[in-house]
Amino acid sequence: IAGITQAPTSQILAAGRRMTLRCTQDMRHNAMYWYRQDLGLGLRLIHYSNTAGTTGKGEVPDGYSVSRANTDDFPLTLASAVPSQTSVYFCASSDTGQGVPDTQYFGPGTRLTVL
Amino acid sequence: AQSVAQPEDQVNVAEGNPLTVKCTYSVSGNPYLFWYVQYPNRGLQFLLKYITGDNLVKGSYGFEAEFNKSQTSFHLKKPSALVSDSALYFCAVTPGSNDYKLSFGAGTTVTVRA
Repeated sequence: IAGITQAPTSQILAAGRRMTLRCTQDMRHNAMYWYRQDLGLGLRLIHYSNTAGTTGKGEVPDGYSVSRANTDDFPLTLASAVPSQTSVYFCASSDTGQGVPDTQYFGPGTRLTVL
Repeated sequence: AQSVAQPEDQVNVAEGNPLTVKCTYSVSGNPYLFWYVQYPNRGLQFLLKYITGDNLVKGSYGFEAEFNKSQTSFHLKKPSALVSDSALYFCAVTPGSNDYKLSFGAGTTVTVRA
């Protein structure tokens, strides 16, 4: 069982370009999340999805979009990248079947640099 | 809105000594609290969580945490630290029912010297 996979591992991107970060989980978890990690700020939630077909905005959603067409995949898209989006991006998933927050499991991350 | 504070950016201890990483939280209602650890260039790994019940929670790698409602704290502890415990530690909170979104603290870097 791989858990959560993210691609690419790292990417250098020119400002203004479009970029999609991929996230796939094989745990059949209902909920999925995207975070960005910046030094001194911890992890901040960008977008989330409680179940396939639904998405919601987190703490820092501007400049990002997500979709949840199925249970396993949760891509994050930067429509027009800016240097302030340089960060490490983590995807996570959790099981919400009991109606209470369960442990979130994290992918290995994508290091994105926008020049 | 919920929030988490980790008042120490860095904690330095000698191997074999007790390790404590502090966390305080603010949330409406009953909190669900988590501790995660991150090793260099890796994703976050779950250590332990408090949902309800016993205030002392035991987790992975010999870590434990004590939930203190009156002090709104959830400090992480290990009786005898190892060099391999050197990592970045995050505390996180969610308000619970029907809200699964976590709020993370800024993180505490733990260095255990041999």
